[in-house]
Amino acid sequence: AQSVTQLGSHVSVSEGALVLLRCNYSSSVPPYLFWYVQYPNQGLQLLLKYTTGATLVKGINGFEAEFKKSETSFHLTKPSAHMSDAAEYFCAVSSMDSSYKLIFGSGTRLLVRP
Amino acid sequence: GAGVSQSPSNKVTEKGKDVELRCDPISGHTALYWYRQSLGQGLEFLIYFQGNSAPDKSGLPSDRFSAERTGGSVSTLTIQRTQQEDSAVYLCASSSSNLMSHGYTFGSGTRLTVV
Repeated sequence: AQSVTQLGSHVSVSEGALVLLRCNYSSSVPPYLFWYVQYPNQGLQLLLKYTTGATLVKGINGFEAEFKKSETSFHLTKPSAHMSDAAEYFCAVSSMDSSYKLIFGSGTRLLVRP
Repeated sequence: GAGVSQSPSNKVTEKGKDVELRCDPISGHTALYWYRQSLGQGLEFLIYFQGNSAPDKSGLPSDRFSAERTGGSVSTLTIQRTQQEDSAVYLCASSSSNLMSHGYTFGSGTRLTVV
């Protein structure tokens, strides 16, 4: 079965520092990959997605992610963290048994220190 | 509407009672999903509706859970004889027909607490 692993349930960075949130997936075929962000007491908001084409994808709020097939990874990065980036981030992969079902990771809570 | 609307936003219920959670998707979105988010865990798929097709109920954890979607729009998730382990945030999402190209749009969720 497909799965998504997000390393680190909590990541803490200083404001202005690089943000790196890790996501690895298991799939025998190239999947569709997504990052969502969840601010407190809100639903999930799509940050960016990879479907086909360029492996480096840019999303909202200065985030980007790179699909690396050889590493089965889709890590999320941002060059300089802002206080407003503090939230929970979820990586998701399209299900092999269904093109409509997303499998989500357990999430990483990003803390930004002033 | 402009977004996916869920109600109530919070629900506290006694163990053994039935609850109904409502989701109003984005107008024109043909696909509707229910996920459950438990504390410290990812999102667990519950059920999926697409147009007039039979729903995919493969994620429902027990026969106490059911959902319907009336007129291809509003959906209701019903949990009968609630248990404490049902406590979670229940998220609804909708999507246009081009599911994987656009991803889902999520509602703000219903936080269910069973006491």
